Amino acid sequence: EPEVTQTPSHQVTQMGQEVILRCVPISNHLYFYWYRQILGQKVEFLVSFYNNEISEKSEIFDDQFSVERPDGSNFTLKIRSTKLEDSAMYFCASSGRAGTGELFFGEGSRLTVL
Amino acid sequence: QQQVKQSPQSLIVQKGGIPIINCAYENTAFDYFPWYQQFPGKGPALLIAIRPDVSEKKEGRFTISFNKSAKQFSLHIMDSQPGDSATYFCAAKEGNSGYALNFGKGTSLLVTP
Repeated sequence: EPEVTQTPSHQVTQMGQEVILRCVPISNHLYFYWYRQILGQKVEFLVSFYNNEISEKSEIFDDQFSVERPDGSNFTLKIRSTKLEDSAMYFCASSGRAGTGELFFGEGSRLTVL
Repeated sequence: QQQVKQSPQSLIVQKGGIPIINCAYENTAFDYFPWYQQFPGKGPALLIAIRPDVSEKKEGRFTISFNKSAKQFSLHIMDSQPGDSATYFCAAKEGNSGYALNFGKGTSLLVTP
């Protein structure tokens, strides 16, 4: 069964450092997303990406965040200068159709900022 | 502003019971309402979803009831099993032009043997 894969599963970094989280979406999907979940809280939308550009982003997704699809398979989230409050589980998701909530999530990358 | 309000925060039922999780929304532009199931250490997985043109949808032991006028929807799990123990999130999305899923805060369900 096709799945979304994410690396690393856990990253620990110092405040102010840059972090890149990587995702390999399901191969025939065209829409890509990043969500985050702070421990014990709800899943929050960060950004959606389609046709090599951001299609929608939330207030959380400020200038410290960026996304990129550097090749035909990877989808990355970069946090330029991490803050303590960036500590969370980051989920990548993909979908095959627009206008649908049928997202397929990866298992997440846990980011701990010290 | 919390776009989707979910209750209860946690729920304990015995095996065979019917847990019910409720969600309410205000944004009338929402037109897609999925439920996601999340096990510890895993990402959310789509369980069942409904659009507002129907009042109920059933898939296996999972049923969504939808009340458009009240702007509420709920998840019922029939004949619940210990393996159903997980966190359940309701969500909502605006029409075809919207991409973001707005999640509720989640309900931690424990089904005891």
